[in-house]
Amino acid sequence: DVKVTQSSRYLVKRTGEKVFLECVQDMDHENMFWYRQDPGLGLRLIYFSYDVKMKEKGDIPEGYSVSREKKERFSLILESASTNQTSMYLCASSGRSGANVLTFGAGSRLTVL
Amino acid sequence: AQSVTQPDIHITVSEGASLELRCNYSYGATPYLFWYVQSPGQGLQLLLKYFSGDTLVQGIKGFEAEFKRSQSSFNLRKPSVHWSDAAEYFCAVGENFGNEKLTFGTGTRLTIIP
Repeated sequence: DVKVTQSSRYLVKRTGEKVFLECVQDMDHENMFWYRQDPGLGLRLIYFSYDVKMKEKGDIPEGYSVSREKKERFSLILESASTNQTSMYLCASSGRSGANVLTFGAGSRLTVL
Repeated sequence: AQSVTQPDIHITVSEGASLELRCNYSYGATPYLFWYVQSPGQGLQLLLKYFSGDTLVQGIKGFEAEFKRSQSSFNLRKPSVHWSDAAEYFCAVGENFGNEKLTFGTGTRLTIIP
């Protein structure tokens, strides 16, 4: 069964800490995405990547960065976490011929105190 | 830029009743449209998609959706809901083939009452 795995389901961090959210897919997908999910706001795209070492800003990139050193791994980085970054973070991937069909991970719920 | 509106934040239906969840989109070209479902504590699962052709598309779990270009809508339907259908449902639109980026609506939470 194909999978997108987010290593941390729940995290609690303090304001100002550096936070890494890891995502790994085993489908040899070219495209990977980080979304943020908040009640009443749906899913908003933070960053995405079409290939190794490539990244593009989504709709809400401020306060975030990403890293894609290997095809299967896409990391979301919060350089200095703030309370307004408390949220559910969803990673997704798709193949180049996948016609926009995203496969999602289970999510990482981050609380920043 | 494309956008998606799901006007219903929360819908409650009785088990066995029919269901329709509304979705309206804004996009200049032919849209690629999707419905995803999220069960509590889970990621999103694809229910169905529309790219072209027949405007009535069938999905998993007995769901279907109809693309109506004149109304810019892609409403999700099910003739008889089951308690296991309680979840949050998201409509999404894709920019264009190969771009792969999706814009999601704000979601509709579905509650099923016995």
